[in-house]
Amino acid sequence: TQLLEQSPQFLSIQEGENLTVYCNSSSVFSSLQWYRQEPGEGPVLLVTVVTGGEVKKLKRLTFQFGDARKDSSLHITAAQPGDTGLYLCAGVANDYKLSFGAGTTVTVRA
Amino acid sequence: DSGVTQTPKHLITATGQRVTLRCSPRSGDLSVYWYQQSLDQGLQFLIQYYNGEERAKGNILERFSAQQFPDLHSELNLSSLELGDSALYFCASSVPDGVGTSTDTQYFGPGTRLTVL
Repeated sequence: TQLLEQSPQFLSIQEGENLTVYCNSSSVFSSLQWYRQEPGEGPVLLVTVVTGGEVKKLKRLTFQFGDARKDSSLHITAAQPGDTGLYLCAGVANDYKLSFGAGTTVTVRA
Repeated sequence: DSGVTQTPKHLITATGQRVTLRCSPRSGDLSVYWYQQSLDQGLQFLIQYYNGEERAKGNILERFSAQQFPDLHSELNLSSLELGDSALYFCASSVPDGVGTSTDTQYFGPGTRLTVL
């Protein structure tokens, strides 16, 4: 059983559309991280959110940390084929261990 | 390129065998983490070393062990291999100094794909 539940598991959209990926847990985290992983490579950190209610923007990507620090969302505006990949959320507990969600596979069709 | 190197890239072996995976962290990073990624379990934290000492343990089997050497490279030893051990094994490094915080960035290597036949 995953500590962090990600939804949806798969997402296939047309270039230019928007998408949102969700990451939920019953546990409180000191911070939450989002990674993107491409085939044959390791995950790459996109962002770390620390404060409940925090919103961070990275170009067309918007990350939000829930007020209770139990959930997060990733929103991509006007998706491009280069956004294709496996998106992973990871919660950081007080012991600094990362607990990963199962991931959302995003495919953006040209 | 994250600066973390892992060897070998691919490893094919038989059940019951023992293998060693190697990781070189980014220059100056003191912490090394090992993860296992499989289709059914996702990315699971196995173990962390900090400056040669074991710092944290996750879902690591007793058949698996790791160590970090004085030059900070790390090895993950997997023994009595089973079919279910087939997975991608990632190493990550972080923390060039200090003891680490919950917002540290972990830099992942490209992984070793282990196939147990």
